[in-house]
Amino acid sequence: EGQLVESGGGLVQPGGSLRLSCAASGFTFSNYWMSWVRRAPGKGLEWVATINKDGGQKYHVDSVKGRFTISRDNAKNSLYLLMNSLRAEDTAVYYCATFSSGWSLGNWGQGTLVTVSS
Amino acid sequence: QSALTQPASVSGSPGQSITISCTGTSSDVGNYNFVSWYQQHPGKVLKLIIYEGSKRPSGVSDRFSVSKSGNTASLTISGLQAEDEADYYCCSYAGSYNLLFGGGTKLTVL
Repeated sequence: EGQLVESGGGLVQPGGSLRLSCAASGFTFSNYWMSWVRRAPGKGLEWVATINKDGGQKYHVDSVKGRFTISRDNAKNSLYLLMNSLRAEDTAVYYCATFSSGWSLGNWGQGTLVTVSS
Repeated sequence: QSALTQPASVSGSPGQSITISCTGTSSDVGNYNFVSWYQQHPGKVLKLIIYEGSKRPSGVSDRFSVSKSGNTASLTISGLQAEDEADYYCCSYAGSYNLLFGGGTKLTVL
């Protein structure tokens, strides 16, 4: 099935930046579209962004457009999320996941916590 | 786009059946047959249990079944077992490469 391991979360001040990473192993990373999903404290899941196999197509939820950018490095089997102009409402656990059949998310990582606070 | 609506909690006794509803709109659940369901046990990784409306990944019990009527999709778990106690999330394709999730439902096995 493979494994996804997120890293890069932490405490950041409002307006700050952070780059999340997701290391993939045990499967052919370059064969999969990938996504980031987040869960704010006490709330449900929220899709954040999706990227196609070669990184040429990127899609972001409206609330992060212009601030967050999804990217990938297939040579390093890694997915990234660059987050700029962070706001308190971006506080959440961020998960990476493989995009699977029928617009579903097949494999998930354990998540990394991002806290935006002064 | 608002999140899909799920009940915050449901409960049932071992052996019983429970149903978790997932209500969207004609722009998401009602317009596409791309509803997926996820299970998460405390401290564990999210797991895909239903995709493309009604398909189960290999290894997922056939006690999990789904139905859809209009803008509402429903997950039914039959023959409830203690191991089914978890959080459940629905998700629908919403067009333009967007996904929409539900708020999650906590299932308690009494």
